[in-house]
Amino acid sequence: DAKTTQPTSMDCAEGRAANLPCNHSTISGNEYVYWYRQIHSQGPQYIIHGLKNNETNEMASLIITEDRKSSTLILPHATLRDTAVYYCIVPHGSGNTGKLIFGQGTTLQVKP
Amino acid sequence: DGGITQSPKYLFRKEGQNVTLSCEQNLNHDAMYWYRQDPGQGLRLIYYSQIVNDFQKGDIAEGYSVSREKKESFPLTVTSAQKNPTAFYLCASSVQGRGETQYFGPGTRLLVL
Repeated sequence: DAKTTQPTSMDCAEGRAANLPCNHSTISGNEYVYWYRQIHSQGPQYIIHGLKNNETNEMASLIITEDRKSSTLILPHATLRDTAVYYCIVPHGSGNTGKLIFGQGTTLQVKP
Repeated sequence: DGGITQSPKYLFRKEGQNVTLSCEQNLNHDAMYWYRQDPGQGLRLIYYSQIVNDFQKGDIAEGYSVSREKKESFPLTVTSAQKNPTAFYLCASSVQGRGETQYFGPGTRLLVL
């Protein structure tokens, strides 16, 4: 997997947008960026993924820079239930092996 | 209501004992996975299976065994050879060939007495 770098922790006020950055400067042209999150003592949850264009679903938006070396996950209106560890992953060849490398991620604390 | 179930939520093992963790899915996924997570750490892949009656070792397979006799089920046995089994165990599944998008169960926390 291409190496990713994320801040260790971030805070966000409830109701505000949470913007979680990720650097992946060694990403290859055909590699996607995936985001998962893990709420304490639960299994990880898939959020969103993208290649080049910005993506949006019911959970979040993903903004990928034009050079694809970094991306930002946006939770538009963070709630207390969004407090979790957020993982940015660039899988390589994981389609068949399922070998996703979950690093340390960013611990997002949403505060009232 | 489709999803992945793992049981039990907590499991206690005595020294020298084998224990089996259950994982069942009704998502009609061909591929299933087992991960281990230690406190404050990321996930590490133990075993994975792309199809019934076939499975492959992941990064930390020593001391573990699996079977895949049915599409819906992928049990993990923690054997006595696993010297440090205390951890949070997570099962996941995906569409075959789409291992980047995995759906996880709630996990089983294994503790050694």
